[in-house]
Amino acid sequence: EDKVVQSPLSLVVHEGDTVTLNCSYEVTNFRSLLWYKQEKKAPTFLFMLTSSGIEKKSGRLSSILDKKELFSILNITATQTGDSAVYLCAVQTQGGSEKLVFGKGTKLTVNP
Amino acid sequence: KAGVTQTPRYLIKTRGQQVTLSCSPISGHRSVSWYQQTPGQGLQFLFEYFSETQRNKGNFPGRFSGRQFSNSRSEMNVSTLELGDSALYLCASSLALAGENEQFFGPGTRLTVL
Repeated sequence: EDKVVQSPLSLVVHEGDTVTLNCSYEVTNFRSLLWYKQEKKAPTFLFMLTSSGIEKKSGRLSSILDKKELFSILNITATQTGDSAVYLCAVQTQGGSEKLVFGKGTKLTVNP
Repeated sequence: KAGVTQTPRYLIKTRGQQVTLSCSPISGHRSVSWYQQTPGQGLQFLFEYFSETQRNKGNFPGRFSGRQFSNSRSEMNVSTLELGDSALYLCASSLALAGENEQFFGPGTRLTVL
């Protein structure tokens, strides 16, 4: 069965800290890995990763994929209170049964 | 450009009833996927529709069904509601198949089954 596991489940930090969120996966036919940020509403897209070892960066957020070890990390530097959210990792499968398999998320709380 | 819209936003039903949820994708998007989100299970894939055809289906019972119209709008139906069906139902649209394109999520429909 395809599965995506995120750790930690929750994290509390202070503004200015740097955090690393982890995502490991086991799927039968990998196409891509995606990170989403979910506040009180719908998830919003952060990154899509398909190639190993290539870092994607957007402002203070960055992510990298290791296809050999089957994991990805999401880094947030100089955290702000507005970064408080649930961060979701998902793996898109391909082949006969394409679907997006989500992890249960990491709840990040950034305190002032 | 308008985002993905879902109606209704909130719904309260009783066990045994059925419900229909609606999703209008971003203009030009042809794929609509549906997800169920609960605190215990997280986000789980229900099914994806592309060009009025169901392309993929998750591991949900047959009580969960859907369809897509020629204008790409999609509906999801749940029959014989159970308490465990209480959840946030999200739909997401993409230009083409979800596996090849970024998905944009709607705000969700929160269903409560009493």
